[in-house]
This record gives sequence, C-alpha cells and structure tokens, in this order.
Amino acid sequence: QTGLTQPPSVSRALRQTATLTCSGNHNNVGDQGASWLQQHQGHPPKVLSYRNNSRPSGISVRFSASRSGNTASLTITGLQPEDEADYYCSAWDSDLIAWLFGGGTKLTVL
Amino acid sequence: EVQLVESGGGSVQPGGSLRLSCAASGFTFSHYGMNWVRQAPGKGLEWVSHISGSGGPIYYADFVKGRFSISRDNAKNSLYLQMNNLRDEDTAFYYCTRGTLDYWGQGTLVTVSS
Repeated sequence: QTGLTQPPSVSRALRQTATLTCSGNHNNVGDQGASWLQQHQGHPPKVLSYRNNSRPSGISVRFSASRSGNTASLTITGLQPEDEADYYCSAWDSDLIAWLFGGGTKLTVL
Repeated sequence: EVQLVESGGGSVQPGGSLRLSCAASGFTFSHYGMNWVRQAPGKGLEWVSHISGSGGPIYYADFVKGRFSISRDNAKNSLYLQMNNLRDEDTAFYYCTRGTLDYWGQGTLVTVSS
C-alpha cells in the first residue's frame, strides 16, 4: 500500500503558527478526511483531531484541522516548547481497503 | 474512560510465533471495529490489520498476509493478533486501536532477532 504525503520537517519560532500538510487522493483524504496524531519521543501517539476535524476532549484549541480537496492541514497557533513532536496524519482508503499514514512531520520549535 | 491495554510482546527468533492480546474497557466492544498498528523503532506508523465488530470482514496489510491473523472475543472484550513466521522487519511496537483510530493503547514491543 502507498501512504499519505507529509513534509519530513517543519521549524517555527516560539509563539508563532505552524501549518502541517497531508496530501492524499480522492479515495482517502478527499473521501472521508484525515485524522491527526501527535507523538512525543518514547510515547504512544495521541489523537489531536478526528476525520471530521473535531478535537477530542482535552485537546487545546490551539490545534485546528481542516481539509481542502485531497489535502488535510493541521494548524498549531501560539507554538509552545511542548509542541515539539512528530505529527502523523491518517486516512481510510476506500480503494485499497486499508488505513494509510503519512510518513510524519517532525516539528521543531525554535 | 476508554482503555486499551496490549500484552504478549517479547523477543523471538526469526521464524517464530507470538500472540498479542488487547484488553478493552470503557466502551461496548462489540460495537466497534478494531485495528493493529505498528511502529518500528525510529520509524513511522504502519497499519497491520482490521477486524469488524462482529468478527468479519477482516483486512490485512500486504506485508502480513498469510503470516498474521487477527481475531476477537467479544465476550472477553479482547482483541488478538497471532503472528507466525516472524521476520527481523516485524520488530516494532504494536498498538491496539479502536475503530477509526480514535483511541490507542500504550503498545507492546515485539523484537525479532537471532
């Protein structure tokens, strides 16, 4: 199976805004959207947003997800040191009958 | 509170077998499909298999077809992954996840090495 496309790394300054992207096609991101996960080194992934772009309980409003066509985006405002982590997108592919993941984006907060 | 607790990981030689388990609580287990997702050390996430709430249909990633088998026991609120003919490249943390990947367990480490 092929995966979703994410930039390997993004760097932004403290208190600035970072927008992470996730590209797929009409069978996955463009069909039912993508969810976003945050993973700190040595910890399991944590869900930041669901495929409908809503946030789980307890997730900061600084994290917001959106979608335009076959590309999903995660915007993180007011960057904090604890936001430095790996971010993954995931989507169900209705043609491959499989869950797909992006390769992950490593966010560095300068 | 939804909880997913994996167990059964460990070290095994190439060609060996392991059975992973996932104990679920905090939701009506039989109402949800379940998945196994893995992550090799220092690498990204990789979907392994899905099973529907009733036990079928079942789907597998190409790299585990014929070697891994997913199953569930709704009476015990448990999910399983039988892994046979293990290879070095199967070394990874294995995570149990609910339905649309909305909840994740802490993971269990499988190490395949001679």
